[in-house]
Amino acid sequence: QLQLQESGPGLVKPSETLSLTCTVSGGSISSSSYYWGWIRQPPGKGLEWIGSIYYSGSTYYNPSLKSRVTISVDTSKNQFSLKLSSVTAADTAVYYCARRGVTTVTTWGQGTLVTVSS
Amino acid sequence: QPVLTQSSSASASLGSSVKLTCTLSSGHSSYIIAWHQQQPGKAPRYLMKLEGSGSYNKGSGVPDRFSGSSSGADRYLTISNLQSEDEADYYCETWDSKGVFGGGTKLTVL
Repeated sequence: QLQLQESGPGLVKPSETLSLTCTVSGGSISSSSYYWGWIRQPPGKGLEWIGSIYYSGSTYYNPSLKSRVTISVDTSKNQFSLKLSSVTAADTAVYYCARRGVTTVTTWGQGTLVTVSS
Repeated sequence: QPVLTQSSSASASLGSSVKLTCTLSSGHSSYIIAWHQQQPGKAPRYLMKLEGSGSYNKGSGVPDRFSGSSSGADRYLTISNLQSEDEADYYCETWDSKGVFGGGTKLTVL
């Protein structure tokens, strides 16, 4: 059974870079049928798509975050990662990694809360 | 880019049925969507993929009480025989070069 697990610091200082990693188990990140992505949810609010990556390295980013986001993949470790630069309090959220088919997300990670605060 | 519109809240009685709606913006009525359930304090869970034809494909372990249907630009999630554990936020989602989520519907089971 496919499982996704986020990891990374739970507290990041303003202006610094948020870094998270998603470890995939029970399946290969190199599967040609899927994309791997990040979604976030500020406290008490709805879901916001951040971006996705294909195992070959092709990326798709939310235009509103594109200038600050980098998503990368490490097929040897079956992991993919998120970097969000120049964070502010508005970036405080639960961050989810997810697997997407051609059209929609089909598997979610458990999520990890990242707080931006000095 | 498509926009997905959902009512902010809905309520129904234990054991009854409820139909939640997700409406695609003009020009995007053929889009496939997904429904996701988020119980309080938990991660979202994929429920189903739903096509404009009304055909749907549920995720593993999703109870038979959950079904989908479509009419024009509207995509529906119907939950029958409501249980207390169905009280949750329900989000619809689609894709068009970027992921798009609806604002979510908070379902209260009375």
